[in-house]
Amino acid sequence: AQTVTQSQPEMSVQEAETVTLSCTYDTSESDYYLFWYKQPPSRQMILVIRQEAYKQQNATENRFSVNFQKAAKSFSLKISDSQLGDAAMYFCAYRSDGQNFVFGPGTRLSVLP
Amino acid sequence: GAVVSQHPSWVICKSGTSVKIECRSLDFQATTMFWYRQFPKQSLMLMATSNEGSKATYEQGVEKDKFLINHASLTLSTLTVTSAHPEDSSFYICSAWTPLNYGYTFGSGTRLTVV
Repeated sequence: AQTVTQSQPEMSVQEAETVTLSCTYDTSESDYYLFWYKQPPSRQMILVIRQEAYKQQNATENRFSVNFQKAAKSFSLKISDSQLGDAAMYFCAYRSDGQNFVFGPGTRLSVLP
Repeated sequence: GAVVSQHPSWVICKSGTSVKIECRSLDFQATTMFWYRQFPKQSLMLMATSNEGSKATYEQGVEKDKFLINHASLTLSTLTVTSAHPEDSSFYICSAWTPLNYGYTFGSGTRLTVV
C-alpha cells in the first residue's frame, strides 16, 4: 500500500524568508500524482501545487515550488518570501489512477513576524 | 473555478439522533465524491467514495450502516450520521473530482459535536 510520510510535525519561518517542507512516499507505481494542500485555521483544504510523476520539470506556482525526486520518492515544498498568511497545516498527498488520495500526517507551519 | 459547498459548517446534536451533512458541486457535475474524517491535529482519513446512482464504497473499518451516504444526483452527495454518539464528534470533509482542472476540490467541512 502507498504511504506518505512528512517527518516534520512543526516548522517555523521568519516572514519574508524561505522554508522547505519535506515529504517522502512509497509506491510501486510509475504513473501517479503528488499534491501539496494547505489547511488554514478555517479548515478549508486548498490546493497549493500539483506534480505529475511523468513530468521531469518541477512544478512552480508563484512563491511555491517543489523539488520532485522520483528515484528517491521525495517531494518537498519550498515557500519563498513567506507571508503571515502562509501559516497553516500543510499536507502532502499521493494519488494514482483508479486509487484514492493518500495524505501524509501534515506539517504545521508557523510564520514569525 | 470549481466550488464545492458543504453544509452545515457546524452542528451540535444529542446522542442517539441523526445528522445529515450535504455536499454540493455548484458549477460542475460530480460523478464521484469522497467523504473524509479528520480528528484534531490529525490528517484526513477517507471514509467512503460515493458514485452517482450507485452504492458508496466504504473504507475498511467504516460502518456503512452508521454513516449513510447517498449520491442521488450529479451535484449532491449526503452523509448521514445515524444514532450519533460522542465518539462520532469530528470534522467531516467532502471532496469532488473536478474535471475542469483535473484536480480535486474540497468542501469547507462540517464540525460535528455530539453531546
